[in-house]
Amino acid sequence: LAKTTQPISMDSYEGQEVNITCSHNNIATNDYITWYQQFPSQGPRFIIQGYKTKVTNEVASLFIPADRKSSTLSLPRVSLSDTAVYYCLVYNQGGKLIFGQGTELSVKP
Amino acid sequence: KAGVTQTPRYLIKTRGQQVTLSCSPISGHRSVSWYQQTPGQGLQFLFEYFSETQRNKGNFPGRFSGRQFSNSRSEMNVSTLELGDSALYLCASSPRELGTTDTQYFGPGTRLTVL
Repeated sequence: LAKTTQPISMDSYEGQEVNITCSHNNIATNDYITWYQQFPSQGPRFIIQGYKTKVTNEVASLFIPADRKSSTLSLPRVSLSDTAVYYCLVYNQGGKLIFGQGTELSVKP
Repeated sequence: KAGVTQTPRYLIKTRGQQVTLSCSPISGHRSVSWYQQTPGQGLQFLFEYFSETQRNKGNFPGRFSGRQFSNSRSEMNVSTLELGDSALYLCASSPRELGTTDTQYFGPGTRLTVL
């Protein structure tokens, strides 16, 4: 089963760019990499998804190297409201979402 | 479109009781999945329903069960509650049966406390 590893926590300041790296060494050929954001007492919210190279949307960018064994979520110019837990996921076979421990991002003023 | 709704939002039960949680997916979504979230174990997949059939199941005991109705609404039942069942139960919906690229839309969750 594909497994993801992320830093447990990160600190940042408002206005900085934050990069969260996730490793997924045994990702399967057909697997996509997906990132979710979760605020306390709320359900996770989809941020971005990609297969290779770079994907960008209005919220974040996702960088995936050629070997696809890792990925980096980039949040430009974070604000206090970006304080949340960020999960990197790779679907296992059968479509189950397997959440890792997530990265708790704390943005300070 | 209205998002995923879950009822009730908060629930307090005692050990040995049973509980039923309800989830209404986004209109048009046919896949509903359930997750348990606890501080110690994080987010864990319970099961997925599509077209009233259970498609996937996580590693939970048989006390945890679910069903899906023809309108895609889903219920989850936990029998003989244990203290360790205290958790945030999340429901997520998706337009089709889960595949490698399908986004899931989560509800706000039901906070279950077992005393």
